[in-house]
Amino acid sequence: AQKITQTQPGMFVQEKEAVTLDCTYDTSDPSYGLFWYKQPSSGEMIFLIYQGSYDQQNATEGRYSLNFQKARKSANLVISASQLGDSAMYFCAMREGQDDKIIFGKGTRLHILP
Amino acid sequence: DSGVTQTPKHLITATGQRVTLRCSPRSGDLSVYWYQQSLDQGLQFLIQYYNGEERAKGNILERFSAQQFPDLHSELNLSSLELGDSALYFCASSVVEGLASPNEQFFGPGTRLTVL
Repeated sequence: AQKITQTQPGMFVQEKEAVTLDCTYDTSDPSYGLFWYKQPSSGEMIFLIYQGSYDQQNATEGRYSLNFQKARKSANLVISASQLGDSAMYFCAMREGQDDKIIFGKGTRLHILP
Repeated sequence: DSGVTQTPKHLITATGQRVTLRCSPRSGDLSVYWYQQSLDQGLQFLIQYYNGEERAKGNILERFSAQQFPDLHSELNLSSLELGDSALYFCASSVVEGLASPNEQFFGPGTRLTVL
């Protein structure tokens, strides 16, 4: 079974609108961490936001927020007031328990339209 | 700029050859990770080193090996290269402070390997 599922291979959104990128995860470990990374066309991987499984509040970093619904095992990324520079591939990822390695989803390609 | 450096940026070689990819982690980071990103497999974890010792292994082929040196830089060696090894190879580093810390990984710019 896939550990990280991103069901939207691609999305088109008008500039200035809010965007929600879906991510569901699968783990039986009570201790885990969830990440979102952005990969622009230039190829580098940029860390955006982190949510720990024991964190009480949803993580926020500037225009990025993580909608963490533990019971549903979902960790959607919300980008507010989207900008043209947000066009990129977005990866949801997870770290489980004692493991340091990160398992990545297949990604969602986001296109912001002017 | 993440602070992680990788060389070379691009590498073109032939099947059967051997190459070495190099990574320097961010200053102060003890842990180095290698990932392979290909069109069909996506982003896959290969191997992790922590302060010179191998810590975790993922989907790394036997033809591939890695090491981390006393100055904490790491090398990924790929041998008997096949067409399917063409991919973007990322190195990432993190501090690794324990479970309570995000231990987010900072990625280098990647090495694009093309096997002809």
